[in-house]
Amino acid sequence: KAGVTQTPRYLIKTRGQQVTLSCSPISGHRSVSWYQQTPGQGLQFLFEYFSETQRNKGNFPGRFSGRQFSNSRSEMNVSTLELGDSALYLCASSLELATGELFFGEGSRLTVL
Amino acid sequence: AQSVTQLDSQVPVFEEAPVELRCNYSSSVSVYLFWYVQYPNQGLQLLLKYLSGSTLVESINGFEAEFNKSQTSFHLRKPSVHISDTAEYFCAVIMKTSYDKVIFGPGTSLSVIP
Repeated sequence: KAGVTQTPRYLIKTRGQQVTLSCSPISGHRSVSWYQQTPGQGLQFLFEYFSETQRNKGNFPGRFSGRQFSNSRSEMNVSTLELGDSALYLCASSLELATGELFFGEGSRLTVL
Repeated sequence: AQSVTQLDSQVPVFEEAPVELRCNYSSSVSVYLFWYVQYPNQGLQLLLKYLSGSTLVESINGFEAEFNKSQTSFHLRKPSVHISDTAEYFCAVIMKTSYDKVIFGPGTSLSVIP
């Protein structure tokens, strides 16, 4: 059974640009959530999607957005990049959050110059 | 507001010594509790979870955690650590009322010294 796949694994952008990150969940998983991981802030919840609907959103500015497709694949977009957006972005999938187990991808490491 | 606290940001311990990583949470509703582990340059993996039943839960690699409702704690323990246990450990909660957000603690970096 294939795990959670995130692309790209590494990317470098400059301030003001925008970026799109992709996440393919484990087959059959309908819940996809995104997290930002930085050394200073730890793991910060961005948003969670279930069956193409955003069920919850963390405390991030509107520059951070996401969506989920009918095949459960998800994308997140960050517009007008800032230096502080440099981080590891982790995607996790689950059958349903209530089951308690998140399966994480290896992350997309974004560097903003 | 719900929150998770891990008081120790870094824990160095000698190989084969015991270790305890502390986790406390704050929530006005019942929660599910988890420990995740992150090895260098990898994503997180579930280590163990408490949903209901016995308050002592165990993982396949020798870790255990005990849910203490009165102290709102879920400390992680291992009687004898190995070099391969060196990693970042995250405590997390899901609120039973919403199930739509996992709240993670800041993490504890466990370094096992040979």
